[in-house]
Amino acid sequence: EAQVTQNPRYLITVTGKKLTVTCSQNMNHEYMSWYRQDPGLGLRQIYYSMNVEVTDKGDVPEGYKVSRKEKRNFPLILESPSPNQTSLYFCASSFYRNQPQHFGDGTRLSIL
Amino acid sequence: GESVGLHLPTLSVQEGDNSIINCAYSNSASDYFIWYKQESGKGPQFIIDIRSNMDKRQGQRVTVLLNKTVKHLSLQIAATQPGDSAVYFCAENYQGGSEKLVFGKGTKLTVNP
Repeated sequence: EAQVTQNPRYLITVTGKKLTVTCSQNMNHEYMSWYRQDPGLGLRQIYYSMNVEVTDKGDVPEGYKVSRKEKRNFPLILESPSPNQTSLYFCASSFYRNQPQHFGDGTRLSIL
Repeated sequence: GESVGLHLPTLSVQEGDNSIINCAYSNSASDYFIWYKQESGKGPQFIIDIRSNMDKRQGQRVTVLLNKTVKHLSLQIAATQPGDSAVYFCAENYQGGSEKLVFGKGTKLTVNP
């Protein structure tokens, strides 16, 4: 089944404790992206990747890192999480940028 | 639809009626537009897309209309069903300093049986 898989789905952690949210897709997509979704603000892009080893900042990249060492994986790293990063996070992928993106089911992060 | 504060614009329709969800986009140079549906607890799901060289595109029970003159996009759902209840987002492929996909804040559709 074609899918985008995120882990974990839920995480409660504390300020400053490094965490990684993994994202994997099995559709051989070149384009992958991370978004955060907050009430009243909609979906905002954090980082995106056009292909392996090619990443770029989205609208709200501060406090986040990403890497794209392999085509299928695009982890989101929070080196020193803070409470304002409490949010619902989505990973998405598509063959190319100008095509519909497939979204994962989301990761709800709570930073205390 | 534009959101105000924390509250999404809402649309409530009766089962079987047609629904129209509107979206204003920001960049006249945007060349690609998508509608997504998001059900509670799930990720956004692709519904239909349209490129800027078209005015209308039809899918199964859905139609997207693009009016470039006023930078307006609409999604029409025919014979709306309870399973259509969700939040609907439009997105534009924003051609600015760096090309990116920009999402609207969403409209909540409720279908009453």
